[in-house]
Amino acid sequence: EIVLTQSPGTLSLSPGERATLSCRASQSVISSYLAWYQHKPGQAPRLLIYSASSRATGIPDRFSGSGSGTDFTLTISRLEPEDFAVYYCQQYGSSPLTFGQGTRLEIK
Amino acid sequence: EVQLVESGGGLVQPGRSLRLSCTTSGFTFDDYVMHWVRQAPGKGLEWVASINWNSGGVEYSDSVKGRFTISRDNANNSLYLQMNSLRPEDTALYYCAKGWGGLVITSWFDPWGQGTLVTVSS
Repeated sequence: EIVLTQSPGTLSLSPGERATLSCRASQSVISSYLAWYQHKPGQAPRLLIYSASSRATGIPDRFSGSGSGTDFTLTISRLEPEDFAVYYCQQYGSSPLTFGQGTRLEIK
Repeated sequence: EVQLVESGGGLVQPGRSLRLSCTTSGFTFDDYVMHWVRQAPGKGLEWVASINWNSGGVEYSDSVKGRFTISRDNANNSLYLQMNSLRPEDTALYYCAKGWGGLVITSWFDPWGQGTLVTVSS
C-alpha cells in the first residue's frame, strides 16, 4: 500500500498570498497518477488536479500541480477567499487507492 | 450536468446490515468505473470500494473486505453498497463518485455526490 504524507498539516495564509502544499509517497506513484481535491465543510470534495499536473474542467489556472515519483506539490498562486478549505492528495497508480491525511488551509 | 445522489444511510446497531444506493444522471453510466469513498467524523477521506463498467472487476479496502459488497445496475444507472456486520468504526459519511474510464479500477474521483451518513451505534 502506498502511504501518502501531506505537509504541512495546517497552513495559515492571507488572501493574495501563494500557497504550496506537499504530498510525499512512500513509494513511487506509477505514471504520476496523483490527484488533488479541495473539500469544504458540508460540500462534496472537488477534483482539482489529475495526473499530477492536469487541471480538471472548470478549475481556475491559479491552481497548479507538479511533481513525479514520490514528491508532488499543489500550488495556489494567489489565494482567493473561497480557496480556504482542506486539500487532499490521492494516488490511483495502484490498489488500494489511498489518500493523504489532508492539509487544512486557513485564513491568517 | 452529472449528478450523483446517495441514499440509504441511517442509524444501525453493530452487527446489522444496511444498503446504500447512488442514483446517477447526466452521463452514460455503463461507460464508467464507480467508487464508494467515506469520511469518518473528524477524519480524512478513505477509499472503500470500486467496480468497473460490467461488474467484472471489483476491489475493496482491507477494512471492509468480506463485509461489504459493491454492485451496480446499469439499466437503472445506479450503484449500491451492501454493508453487513457493521462496526462502530464504519460510522462515516459515504460518498459515491464517478471514476475515469470503464475498465480499470484505479482512477481519480470526479464528481462526487453529497454523501449519506451511516451511524453504527447501539
